[in-house]
Amino acid sequence: GENVEQHPSTLSVQEGDSAVIKCTYSDSASNYFPWYKQELGKGPQLIIDIRSNVGEKKDQRIAVTLNKTAKHFSLHITETQPEDSAVYFCAASDGTNDYKLSFGAGTTVTVRA
Amino acid sequence: DAGVIQSPRHEVTEMGQEVTLRCKPISGHNSLFWYRQTMMRGLELLIYFNNNVPIDDSGMPEDRFSAKMPNASFSTLKIQPSEPRDSAVYFCASRPTGGGWETQYFGPGTRLLVL
Repeated sequence: GENVEQHPSTLSVQEGDSAVIKCTYSDSASNYFPWYKQELGKGPQLIIDIRSNVGEKKDQRIAVTLNKTAKHFSLHITETQPEDSAVYFCAASDGTNDYKLSFGAGTTVTVRA
Repeated sequence: DAGVIQSPRHEVTEMGQEVTLRCKPISGHNSLFWYRQTMMRGLELLIYFNNNVPIDDSGMPEDRFSAKMPNASFSTLKIQPSEPRDSAVYFCASRPTGGGWETQYFGPGTRLLVL
């Protein structure tokens, strides 16, 4: 099955700086890579996703890059704000069963004011 | 759009008791997922329904766990009998039909504590 590794596990940044989270996956047939943000006491919320036919996608201050050859993808948050503080999860779809997502262990991001 | 609705939001019960978690998916979504989240194991898929039919229950930990989806707008996850190691946050998620079909939308979760 798919194995997703996520780094770092914690990340502290100064407000206004950028934050980068990296994930690797094992299944070369994976074709869908969503990123979720989970705030305390809430469910994961999709913030951005990318499909394997695209190398980069951007939505305002958030961008995701995908390198299929190396089997890794990254989340970039620019101009961080205190409300960006949360746990972020990457995920990759299973190459065989497309409904199945394998999640990374999560990155706790703290934005210092 | 009210999003995925789960109840109860919190549940405290004693070992051996039956626990029933409930989920209402987003209207029009034809796929529903139950997940469990723990510090040790992260987010794990328990069961996946498509058009109210269980497609993949390989993640259900043992026979004490069962899930049903009697109609397109309601699903339950039951644990009987409950054990302390079942303590976790249980999420329900649904997925739309059509464009962007891979996207799963999560509910707020049920935090379960088994004493």
